[in-house]
Amino acid sequence: GAGVSQTPSNKVTEKGKYVELRCDPISGHTALYWYRQSLGQGPEFLIYFQGTGAADDSGLPNDRFFAVRPEGSVSTLKIQRTERGDSAVYLCASSLSSVSNTGELFFGEGSRLTVL
Amino acid sequence: KQEVTQIPAALSVPEGENLVLNCSFTDSAIYNLQWFRQDPGKGLTSLLLIQSSQREQTSGRLNASLDKSSGRSTLYIAASQPGDSATYLCAVFGGDMRFGAGTRLTVKP
Repeated sequence: GAGVSQTPSNKVTEKGKYVELRCDPISGHTALYWYRQSLGQGPEFLIYFQGTGAADDSGLPNDRFFAVRPEGSVSTLKIQRTERGDSAVYLCASSLSSVSNTGELFFGEGSRLTVL
Repeated sequence: KQEVTQIPAALSVPEGENLVLNCSFTDSAIYNLQWFRQDPGKGLTSLLLIQSSQREQTSGRLNASLDKSSGRSTLYIAASQPGDSATYLCAVFGGDMRFGAGTRLTVKP
């Protein structure tokens, strides 16, 4: 596609439920990032994929959070047993570059998650 | 762990003023630095990307500088307009990409 696409744009769920957030990066971009942004804060790094593998998952807050990118394109962020504190906008970004040849990061519009 | 700080947190100026937004980072071992704009409820739009070997980049009324050794970058906006009102975020890439909390800019007509 022309840009990074994220679905759903809005998700309201109940505490304890499981959610999946999807990111479709720009075609040909090998690097994919997930961030979480709370109101009034900058984006907080969660995980970075280079191709199919998670190059850095140090930002995932706990083991309820997991992300996959099985074919090196679309990625899914999975959150188990959601808590109210998980409410935030989840942003996805992609880039052409590998770690040693960095390039511009392009963001999607985000998925707003609200846990009641 | 890389820490990115942006000063000021908020800025309000009259239309037409030139202004400078500041970004500082703690680890100078970076590949690049990128400035973004974020409008309320929207994603991030890339404004300028400065590679670690570069000193500055310009796009229209925007100019960004990078002093890697001192861990600083500035975003200069010339002749500000009400349409420039947004939050401006800087991010440094050193393996992963770390963001500052942003500067919320309001340009009054």
